[in-house]
Amino acid sequence: KNEVEQSPQNLTAQEGEFITINCSYSVGISALHWLQQHPGGGIVSLFMLSSGKKKHGRLIATINIQEKHSSLHITASHPRDSAVYICAVRGSSNTGKLIFGQGTTLQVKP
Amino acid sequence: NAGVTQTPKFQVLKTGQSMTLQCAQDMNHNSMYWYRQDPGMGLRLIYYSASEGTTDKGEVPNGYNVSRLNKREFSLRLESAAPSQTSVYFCASSMVLLPEAFFGQGTRLTVV
Repeated sequence: KNEVEQSPQNLTAQEGEFITINCSYSVGISALHWLQQHPGGGIVSLFMLSSGKKKHGRLIATINIQEKHSSLHITASHPRDSAVYICAVRGSSNTGKLIFGQGTTLQVKP
Repeated sequence: NAGVTQTPKFQVLKTGQSMTLQCAQDMNHNSMYWYRQDPGMGLRLIYYSASEGTTDKGEVPNGYNVSRLNKREFSLRLESAAPSQTSVYFCASSMVLLPEAFFGQGTRLTVV
């Protein structure tokens, strides 16, 4: 079993829909990252969380440390949100290494 | 700020050839990382350098070597490329105590 599991693996939505991507992890962490990767592009950090909730524009990320679970929400989805969304956790050691989920491929149709 | 810069962006190698992937960051970060990304598998850590002068193996180090040339630069070398090393390679950097992760644009490597 992977230490970081994302669901769903693939997601298709209609423009305007509310989207949720889930991430569960099984290790102790110091932080959790949500990353975005566009086709053929690099990887961009969306959020870094260690507790609670963060919001940036239409994106909201939450984390429940006790349940070892995080969610990424996209409100009023748009075709430009189509990308791979990756959850990654930073372990409790001080090396800064990340453990990645397999990613969720999101396609938002107009 | 350029952030994390990787070169080259694309490369095709023949089996047995060698090459070095270059990575440089201008954010004064202590830690640098090399990952590979394969379909359906997520990113996997090849090597990392927690600070200048140190390097350590990650999850999939076989067939690779690294050099932390200075605080800015961290290179990844394939001494004898194999088709199994066909992948997209990402370099990343972070300050250990402020662990925001910054990634390069990736290098798409094909070994034929």
